[in-house]
Amino acid sequence: QVQLQQSGAELAKPGSSVKISCKASGYTFNSYYITWIKETTGQGLEYIGYINARSGGTNHNEKFKGKATLTEDESSSTAFMQLSSLTPDDSAVYYCARDCYFDFWGPGTMVTVSS
Amino acid sequence: DIQMTQSPPSLSASLGDEVTITCQASQDIYKYITWYQQKPGKPPRLLIRYTSMLESGTPSRFSGSGSGSDYSFSISNVESEDIASYFCLQYVNLPLTFGSGTKLEIK
Repeated sequence: QVQLQQSGAELAKPGSSVKISCKASGYTFNSYYITWIKETTGQGLEYIGYINARSGGTNHNEKFKGKATLTEDESSSTAFMQLSSLTPDDSAVYYCARDCYFDFWGPGTMVTVSS
Repeated sequence: DIQMTQSPPSLSASLGDEVTITCQASQDIYKYITWYQQKPGKPPRLLIRYTSMLESGTPSRFSGSGSGSDYSFSISNVESEDIASYFCLQYVNLPLTFGSGTKLEIK
């Protein structure tokens, strides 16, 4: 069955970076995009961007350009999102999901930014 | 960016009721809307894609309809397991945008 497994919760200092992983199984990794979504109580769900797992091409929501860097490793069927220059506003649950209409989701990775 | 205005923010229903949630897009989205269910502490679950196509495993009491910029999602014969939040997503244009969600509670 299709599964997306995400890395564990992160506690980070302001100004630092974190890299979250999303390991896919149960389907051909390079046949689908992986999309990243931010969830906060205040803003709800926000589209961060996607990566084409075959070509490595990416699309970013303008709001997250410079904040999120999307990469993938086809050999391990894993997508990554690096969040840089962290501020408390980056504290959220981050999900990866398959394709452009999110038919499967990872369990989420909580990122807490605090000094 | 396409704005998705979802209403109501919350709903209270009795078991067996029918409830309806709406999403209005700021422009025509050509039926490219999906609906999700989310329970606390869990990731969302895709219920319906392309306005009205039920995903495998979605109970038939869930339905979707609409066209242009106006869409709706309904649950007939609400069951206790339907207690959750529901939200829409348009996927016709980037950036993809979500509705703000509707929390369903049982009276």
